[in-house]
Amino acid sequence: GAVVSQHPSWVICKSGTSVKIECRSLDFQATTMFWYRQFPKQSLMLMATSNEGSKATYEQGVEKDKFLINHASLTLSTLTVTSAHPEDSSFYICSARDLQGEHTQYFGPGTRLTVL
Amino acid sequence: GENVEQHPSTLSVQEGDSAVIKCTYSDSASNYFPWYKQELGKRPQLIIDIRSNVGEKKDQRIAVTLNKTAKHFSLHITETQPEDSAVYFCAASKGGSYIPTFGRGTSLIVHP
Repeated sequence: GAVVSQHPSWVICKSGTSVKIECRSLDFQATTMFWYRQFPKQSLMLMATSNEGSKATYEQGVEKDKFLINHASLTLSTLTVTSAHPEDSSFYICSARDLQGEHTQYFGPGTRLTVL
Repeated sequence: GENVEQHPSTLSVQEGDSAVIKCTYSDSASNYFPWYKQELGKRPQLIIDIRSNVGEKKDQRIAVTLNKTAKHFSLHITETQPEDSAVYFCAASKGGSYIPTFGRGTSLIVHP
């Protein structure tokens, strides 16, 4: 149980285009989903916390107009990187917190974004 | 906010040796401390966690200790194997927000 999927697993796009990444909890309901960004050989950097049915809470320094987050249901959150540029190239990972699990987070497999 | 420091950044051991990774945290309200293992290009996987009402927890070759007074916790891996090679992250969170703060990670290399 407690499986989180992410789609796509990798994407290559041209500079200026927008990319949408989906995060789904497959066998549990997630009140909260987290979006992280990870550069090579670095730690997980929390970008935003997404709560179902409400606006996402962004961490300091993360542009909410550039990284659009929608948490439409208890099993789906999306991250859209708008007008992507090469510096947005990174590994994006979501995680979901189980309704019952309090602290426990389950991570998605990540999405490798490369912007040319 | 919470600040989590993790050491060392790289740890190289021989197969069969023990490995210890240490983390400190700053917020005394933090009460949940998970450890994640991340292999290259893969998702972080929870390997063990400890809550603030417990001082030590063990799961086969892996153990975690917590010293609330000193605000530090450690991961201990005994009888290391090459497949233990990965990046390990510690984290701290507290009730209410449940938002974890991660350490910078430790790259563990186990030489056969």
